[in-house]
Amino acid sequence: QVQLKETGPGLVQPTQTLSITCTVSGFSLTSYYMQWVRQTPGKGLEWMGFIRSGGSTEYNSEFKSRLSISRDTSKNQVFLKMNSLKTEDTGVYYCARAGITPFDYWGQGVMVTVSS
Amino acid sequence: DIQMTQSPSFLSASVGDRVTINCKASQNINRYLNWYQQKLGEAPKLLIYNANSLQTGIPSRFSGSGSGTDFTLTISSLQPEDVATYFCLQHNSWPWTFGGGTKLELK
Repeated sequence: QVQLKETGPGLVQPTQTLSITCTVSGFSLTSYYMQWVRQTPGKGLEWMGFIRSGGSTEYNSEFKSRLSISRDTSKNQVFLKMNSLKTEDTGVYYCARAGITPFDYWGQGVMVTVSS
Repeated sequence: DIQMTQSPSFLSASVGDRVTINCKASQNINRYLNWYQQKLGEAPKLLIYNANSLQTGIPSRFSGSGSGTDFTLTISSLQPEDVATYFCLQHNSWPWTFGGGTKLELK
């Protein structure tokens, strides 16, 4: 059974770095791309980037300068790190798998609030 | 970037009704359009991929149609468990972009 679960800090201060972990089960990270998407009040759903099954990455240019996606295949985990956070980055962050199609399975998401 | 305009934003319908939700792309996306269902507090669920392919395990009352710039999700006979927000995604070209969502409630 495919499962994805995001964990994160909940509250982050402006200018700080956000770190979120996506832990997966039911499939191997070496066989599937993994995506990150966020949903904010201001812009709705936005694709942020992905890490390929081979480990290379692609980013939405909107986030490219401050986003990093990585993984630890031995732990079945994918990581999102985004620096220089602003209040507009407040929202729900999702990881999703790209299988038969981009975003075939999603996690429940983790709410992140950027506030001092 | 390709803009996805979804309509309506809000929809109220009765059990048994035929419901349609639309997505319009700002340019040709061929058939690279997916539909998702999101219930409160749950992970989004893939319903339809590549415009008209039904994801495994999804009830046949859900169907998708369209190509190019205009796409439709149809629920042939609305059930109470279909109350949710629905959104579309284009994956024809990067950056992949989403529709604004349609909140479906029971009348």
